[in-house]
Amino acid sequence: DIQMTQSPFTLSASVGDRVTITCRASQNINSWLAWYQQKPGKAPQLLIYKASSLESGVPSRFSGSGSGTEFTLTINSLQPDDFATYYCQQYNSYPYIFGQGTKLEI
Amino acid sequence: QVQLVESGGGAVQPGGSLRLSCVASGFTFSSYGMHWVRQAPGKGLEWVAFIRYDGSNEYYADSVKGRFTISRDNSKNTLHLQMNSLRAEDTAVYYCGKARVVVITAWGQGILVTVSS
Repeated sequence: DIQMTQSPFTLSASVGDRVTITCRASQNINSWLAWYQQKPGKAPQLLIYKASSLESGVPSRFSGSGSGTEFTLTINSLQPDDFATYYCQQYNSYPYIFGQGTKLEI
Repeated sequence: QVQLVESGGGAVQPGGSLRLSCVASGFTFSSYGMHWVRQAPGKGLEWVAFIRYDGSNEYYADSVKGRFTISRDNSKNTLHLQMNSLRAEDTAVYYCGKARVVVITAWGQGILVTVSS
């Protein structure tokens, strides 16, 4: 199975900051990677698919990059609503493993 | 507007069975693959299973293979997850998800399953 490793586990930032979250795959997954945001007590929401494609309705301050085994999620100009937990997920091959999550906190 | 509503959760003893359902509305259910994803209390997301739009193929996480079965009834816009031989580590909130190709673009609100004696 492909393993997904996110870093950091926790990230402290302030409103207006630019932050980057990294996701590494244990083998080549091409660009078959998605990023999700989850707030406490809520279902996740899709932000990015195919490594860098922004899901409809998601603010443009979110962006994704990478291919192969190394990927990043960048959030520009953090807003109060962005403080949440972020997960990457590979969908190159089954099982569709999620990363362990990155909690973005103030 | 896409809506996914899970039901069938609750408390069950180890070794028991439970069947989750997810009723879909707001889209042509029979045209989309569907996932189950779970989240243990205070933990991260774990992908559980996927079924193709027509039910022709199913895929499972190693942790549930042989114990869980994903199925669908396209005539009733309903997705199911039959869970047998339940263990304490299956305790989680279970989400159903609508797939665009295989990416999860919409999620239900989740349903809690507790496995405890």
